[in-house]
Amino acid sequence: SQKIEQNSEALNIQEGKTATLTCNYTNYSPAYLQWYRQDPGRGPVFLLLIRENEKEKRKERLKVTFDTTLKQSLFHITASQPADSATYLCALDIGNDKIIFGKGTRLHILP
Amino acid sequence: DAGVIQSPRHEVTEMGQEVTLRCKPISGHNSLFWYRQTMMRGLELLIYFNNNVPIDDSGMPEDRFSAKMPNASFSTLKIQPSEPRDSAVYFCASSLGLAGAGYEQFFGPGTRLTVL
Repeated sequence: SQKIEQNSEALNIQEGKTATLTCNYTNYSPAYLQWYRQDPGRGPVFLLLIRENEKEKRKERLKVTFDTTLKQSLFHITASQPADSATYLCALDIGNDKIIFGKGTRLHILP
Repeated sequence: DAGVIQSPRHEVTEMGQEVTLRCKPISGHNSLFWYRQTMMRGLELLIYFNNNVPIDDSGMPEDRFSAKMPNASFSTLKIQPSEPRDSAVYFCASSLGLAGAGYEQFFGPGTRLTVL
């Protein structure tokens, strides 16, 4: 069956360290992958898009990698801060003008 | 721009009642999406529209669910009759174009629906 999985339900990281979140998928050949942030009681907010021909994308303290051979994307937050605490969702292009979302990883940055 | 607007923000209703959720997309966006989010199933796409036309409603769970987009600035999602298993947060999102091109989606604040 077609699946998209994010590495863990929750992740605790010490402030100042790099947080790394994983998104794995099977049975797709996506043209791109997106990452969103969701705070409690709010809708997801778009962060970054990476296309299949891009290995890496950066935006300020955020870095995303995309390995189409491993069928995996890694999302890194460097110099993490308590304000980075949120749920992070990956979203995969599955064709037919649709994307599907992973269930998300709840990230807690500990002061 | 005020962003995507949804109403109501919270809805509590009894089983069997009709529920109507409303969405105003961002002006100029021509794609609109309805999602449902639960702890168990995550964020699921129910239906999406492009230029007010329903393109894919394969995610609509059953005939009790229906959605309309009478014009570019308004959409509704209706559940009739509602059941307790419909309890979830319903999000509306809009974008400049179809998801296939990679356009980012802008989400509304959601409607938390509780069916007793």
